[in-house]
Amino acid sequence: DGGITQSPKYLFRKEGQNVTLSCEQNLNHDAMYWYRQDPGQGLRLIYYSQIVNDFQKGDIAEGYSVSREKKESFPLTVTSAQKNPTAFYLCASSGGRGIQFFGPGTRLTVL
Amino acid sequence: AQKVTQAQTEISVVEKEDVTLDCVYETRDTTYYLFWYKQPPSGELVFLIRRNSFDEQNEISGRYSWNFQKSTSSFNFTITASQVVDSAVYFCALRISGGYNKLIFGAGTRLAVHP
Repeated sequence: DGGITQSPKYLFRKEGQNVTLSCEQNLNHDAMYWYRQDPGQGLRLIYYSQIVNDFQKGDIAEGYSVSREKKESFPLTVTSAQKNPTAFYLCASSGGRGIQFFGPGTRLTVL
Repeated sequence: AQKVTQAQTEISVVEKEDVTLDCVYETRDTTYYLFWYKQPPSGELVFLIRRNSFDEQNEISGRYSWNFQKSTSSFNFTITASQVVDSAVYFCALRISGGYNKLIFGAGTRLAVHP
């Protein structure tokens, strides 16, 4: 089945730790995105990548980093510099029609 | 500036009622796209519809229908004969042409359908 997978589903981080969220897609999409969702709010764009080996900051990139070494993969690292990382993280990808399809999300909690 | 407003934070209806979710957008671009996504309790956003700014025809898909009116900058979503499975958070989003397909989301409307 074509789709987007994210892992883990739940992640717990201690203060000062870096953690990496995985996002993989087999839809052959060029563009991939990371969003953050806080309770009762819409999605905010963290980073996006339109092509392999290229990515751009979104609206709230501070404290996050990404890489795009393969077309299928777009991991997100939440660094210790992110002061309030507890949130729901969603990965998306889009192809030629520009419609973004989303993964199931990762819920990150800081202990 | 681009903005999407979903003024209804929560809506509660009884099964079989019709319900309309409002979406008002702001953009100075003449070419843009509007989207609706559904987020069930599982969390994954499910794509429902995309409309471009040049196509004001209303669309119907089963119990779902969408009313796009450029004159009022609105793209409202109606569920006819609601069902418990329709309970979710619904997001309206705007994308301007060009750039990197950035979506600007509204805050979402939580719909609760009770038996």
